[in-house]
Formats: sequence, C-alpha cells, structure tokens
Amino acid sequence: DTGVSQDPRHKITKRGQNVTFRCDPISEHNRLYWYRQTLGQGPEFLTYFQNEAQLEKSRLLSDRFSAERPKGSFSTLEIQRTEQGDSAMYLCASSLSENQPQHFGDGTRLSIL
Amino acid sequence: RKEVEQDPGPFNVPEGATVAFNCTYSNSASQSFFWYRQDCRKEPKLLMSVYSSGNEDGRFTAQLNRASQYISLLIRDSKLSDSATYLCVVLFNTNAGKSTFGDGTTLTVKP
Repeated sequence: DTGVSQDPRHKITKRGQNVTFRCDPISEHNRLYWYRQTLGQGPEFLTYFQNEAQLEKSRLLSDRFSAERPKGSFSTLEIQRTEQGDSAMYLCASSLSENQPQHFGDGTRLSIL
Repeated sequence: RKEVEQDPGPFNVPEGATVAFNCTYSNSASQSFFWYRQDCRKEPKLLMSVYSSGNEDGRFTAQLNRASQYISLLIRDSKLSDSATYLCVVLFNTNAGKSTFGDGTTLTVKP
C-alpha cells in the first residue's frame, strides 16, 4: 500500500502523559499536513511541512504540541502533558505540491482518560 | 463567521434522487477548491477537485461561483453508497498552504 500511513491507529492514555504519533506520507509528496478532527466538525488545520521545513502553525497548536519532519519524509506529532480536550482524531495528509489535493491517512484516534 | 460554511443537513433522500450541496467561503483570494467524502469514523477521501469552468465525474458535478463565493456539488441518481458526509475544502493562499475544511454536510440515501 503506497498511501499515507499513520501509527498508532488508536491511543488511550491518562491525562498528563506525553504521546507521539507518526505519519508516513506518500513517497513523492513533499507537503505534509497535520489536522485534528472532533465529532461533527471538519478537520482543523494544525501545521504543515514542505520537505523538512515547518512553514505554518495554527493558533490551535499550543506550546504542548510539537511536530517534526527531520528528513523530509516521515513526520511525528508530539503532545506533552495531555489534557482531556486533546481527545480527537489526528489526521495526517500529504500532497504533491501546493495546489494539489491532499491525501489522508487513516488517522490516530486519541482518547485521554 | 466561519471561513468555510456548509449546511450540516442531514439531507435524507430516496434512491435515485438528485441532491445538491452548497459551500460558501469568505476569502475572495481563495485559490483551489475540493470536495471530499468522509464515511463514519474514516478518513476524508478526495471526491473531486473543483475547476473554474465546472466539472463532472459520472453522477457528480462540481461548480464554482467566484462572484458569489460558493462552490456546489450535485449528485444525480443517488445510490445507497453515497450516504456519507461531504466536506468542502478551500485553499486560501497557496503560499501559506493552509487548507480550510467546512464542517461537512451529511447525506443519507434511503431505499
């Protein structure tokens, strides 16, 4: 399967713990995006990379959130000191270039106890 | 006011019906437009891009009206399998790369 893959699919953790998610984009795509989605809402933009450069971060991304794409291939999204409100589906997408449609991974569903 | 707005529905239609959804956007500098489909607890999947001249893909037709700042999706001869949430996506500024999603319109096609 050469689509976008995310790991893990589900994560359940206690409040206050740190979590890290991984995203492997489609191999030739140089743009990679992270979104958060809660029930009844569309995906909310968090951040995006062009190759290894993080070009924009949403105001939604507090200091507890950090994303990296060290070699311009896979990306990680870390949430430190998780809170109840962080419970959501975290979606990763990639695109070939800026005007091209984005292709999504299956997402990581985070549940904070 | 949200940057991208959709009627959440739900739209409940019988099989074979024609149904249309609109999506309005606030930024007149918007560059690119797409429709995605999302099934329950699944990831969004690209349905079609929206071109300035309008475009069709089988039973689906997308239109863009820049003057009134909306895009539309028309589904003809609805199938049970069309039941899903349809998300409108707008790229405001290609340099910024940010895509903004609407909250989706839910369609249920009934036998």
